[in-house]
Parts: sequence; C-alpha cells; structure tokens
Amino acid sequence: AQSVTQLDSHVSVSEGTPVLLRCNYSSSYSPSLFWYVQHPNKGLQLLLKYTSAATLVKGINGFEAEFKKSETSFHLTKPSAHMSDAAEYFCVVSDRYRDDKIIFGKGTRLHILP
Amino acid sequence: ETGVTQSPTHLIKTRGQQVTLRCSSQSGHNTVSWYQQALGQGPQFIFQYYREEENGRGNFPPRFSGLQFPNYSSELNVNALELDDSALYLCASSFYLLKGGYTFGSGTRLTVV
Repeated sequence: AQSVTQLDSHVSVSEGTPVLLRCNYSSSYSPSLFWYVQHPNKGLQLLLKYTSAATLVKGINGFEAEFKKSETSFHLTKPSAHMSDAAEYFCVVSDRYRDDKIIFGKGTRLHILP
Repeated sequence: ETGVTQSPTHLIKTRGQQVTLRCSSQSGHNTVSWYQQALGQGPQFIFQYYREEENGRGNFPPRFSGLQFPNYSSELNVNALELDDSALYLCASSFYLLKGGYTFGSGTRLTVV
C-alpha cells in the first residue's frame, strides 16, 4: 500500500528566505514521486517529478526536491521565497510500474510574509 | 497542445439529483483519472479510465460512475447526490504508464444543497 504524509499543514516564511516543505512516503513498490501546487481557485500544476533517474530533481519556479530512499522522504525546497509562491502544495506518490492511481498528501499551505 | 478542459466550472444541485461532469483530455493523452477534493483536503482518487474501460477505482460507492469516449474524453456521473458530495472534482489526463506526470484541469465546483 502507498501513502504520503506531509508533516506540516501550514508553513510561514518571510519573502527572500528559504522554503522547506516536508514529505514522507510509504510504498510497497518502486515509487514515483511528484510535487503539485494549487493556487486559490485553480487546478493543480506539476512542479517536479522523480521517476527513477537523478535523486535531486529540479522543477519550475526555482523549486527542487531530493529523493532519499533511506529516509523515505521527498522534501521540497526553494532557496528564496517569493510572494507568488503562496499556495497549497501537495506531495504525491504513485507506483512506478502501475498507472491506476496516484495518492495525494493532505497538503501544506505555504504563507509568505512580507 | 491544449490542456485539460472541464465543464461546467460551477454547479449547484439538490440532494437526490444526478449530475454529469465532463472532461476533455490533453492532446496525446489516452488515460483520464477523476479526483474529489473536499474543502481543505487533498484530492482523493475516484477512478481511472483507459481504453474506454475502468482501470482502477478508489473507495467510492457505485453511484459514482464514469465513461471514456473514443476521443479519450470522459464523463463522471454521480447519482443520488448527497450533501457530502459537495467538492471540487478534478480531472487529470496522462499517457498510460509514461510517468511524465498528470495534467489536471481546473475542476468543477459542485455544491449540493
């Protein structure tokens, strides 16, 4: 069975400071991992994905995440937060060799303080 | 290439009624998945369609049903609506087993009163 735990429901950072959104996963199979962002009243946008190549994954808008199998983690980071980063972020896991569903975490709301 | 288009964007229904939501997949994608996102929650998997057949289902009752058409577009049907069915319904398309990620539509906001 697969599951995702996002360790913080809310994170607040000041503009220009680093962002860290934490995600731990559980998977019986080789996982694919994703981060999606959802701005208010918008659909979900893919930030980045890990499918089996490099463990450090770079995404859009300066975000990156590192797959750490020993820690079963896939934390999302950004060196310097921007006001436009304020949104809901979802960590997602799927079975790399099956495509029938993906499992979402409960989300982390990122607040950017001026 | 076009993205995923969902219609309608908003809908209000009465408890007990039936509703049909529509989704046009992204060009080149052959798989459509549906998700329910209740307020303040992460999306929950309803089901997926591939080659016009259901290819996996989450923990939703049979009154949630779907279709996929030869052009890969899809419908989600919900019968006997309940108040708890109020949510944002998201459609996502992908190319089966190509782990490029899913492309999501903007969703249909369903309110059951």
